[in-house]
Amino acid sequence: DIQMTQSPSSLSTSVGDRVTITCRASQGISNYLAWFQQKPGKAPKSLIYGTSSLQSGVPSRFSGSGSGTDFTLTISSLQPEDFATYYCQQYDSFPYTFGQGTKLEIK
Amino acid sequence: EVQLVESGGGLVQPGGSLKLSCAASGFTFSGSAMHWVRQASGKGLEWVGRIRSKAGSYATTYAASVNGRFTISRDDSKNTAYLQMNGLKIEDTAVYYCTRHGPKWLDPWGQGTLVTVSS
Repeated sequence: DIQMTQSPSSLSTSVGDRVTITCRASQGISNYLAWFQQKPGKAPKSLIYGTSSLQSGVPSRFSGSGSGTDFTLTISSLQPEDFATYYCQQYDSFPYTFGQGTKLEIK
Repeated sequence: EVQLVESGGGLVQPGGSLKLSCAASGFTFSGSAMHWVRQASGKGLEWVGRIRSKAGSYATTYAASVNGRFTISRDDSKNTAYLQMNGLKIEDTAVYYCTRHGPKWLDPWGQGTLVTVSS
C-alpha cells in the first residue's frame, strides 16, 4: 500500500497567515492527489483534485502543487472558516489511502 | 443539487451484520462509480471500497481490512448504493460515508451514518 504522510499534524495559526501543508507519498503517484477539508461533526469536503485543480466553489486562496511523491496545499490568507482538519488522498493505486490529517487551530 | 444520503447505521453485536444504503439524487447515478469511506471517532479517514458503473461491469475493490466481510452493491433503478457488512468487529465502529466518483474525483459526500459494534 502507498503510505501518505502529512506534516505538520497540527498547526497553530492566525487569520491572515499563509499556511502550507505538505503530503508525501511512499512512492510516485503521478498527479493523482486530492485534498479534503473536514470540520467537526461534518462530512469531508473536496477542495482539490488532480494535485492542483480546484473544486467548484472553492475560494482561490486555496491552491495545490507538487508531483511524484511530494505535494503541498497552500492557503494564501487564512480565513476564520478555514480552521479545520485537512486530509490528502492518493488515488493512483488501490487502496486509495489518506494522510493522517493536519488540524489547523487558532493561535 | 447533487446529493447523497446514507442510512442504515446503528448498534450491532460483534459478529453481526448490517446493511448501509446511500441514496443519490441530482446526477446520473447509473454512470458513476461510488465509494465508501469510514472514520472512527477522533481518527482519520479510511477508504473502504468502491463499485464501478455498469460500463465498468460493476467491478468492486476493497480495502484489505474489510475484504471478504464487506460487499458493495448498487441498484441503478433506485439510484442507491449499498454496503453490506458481515462479521462485524469492534474496530469497524465508525461513521461511514458514501461519495461519488465524479468528473472531479470524490464529490460530493453524504452526511455519514454511524455504525457501532459493541456487546
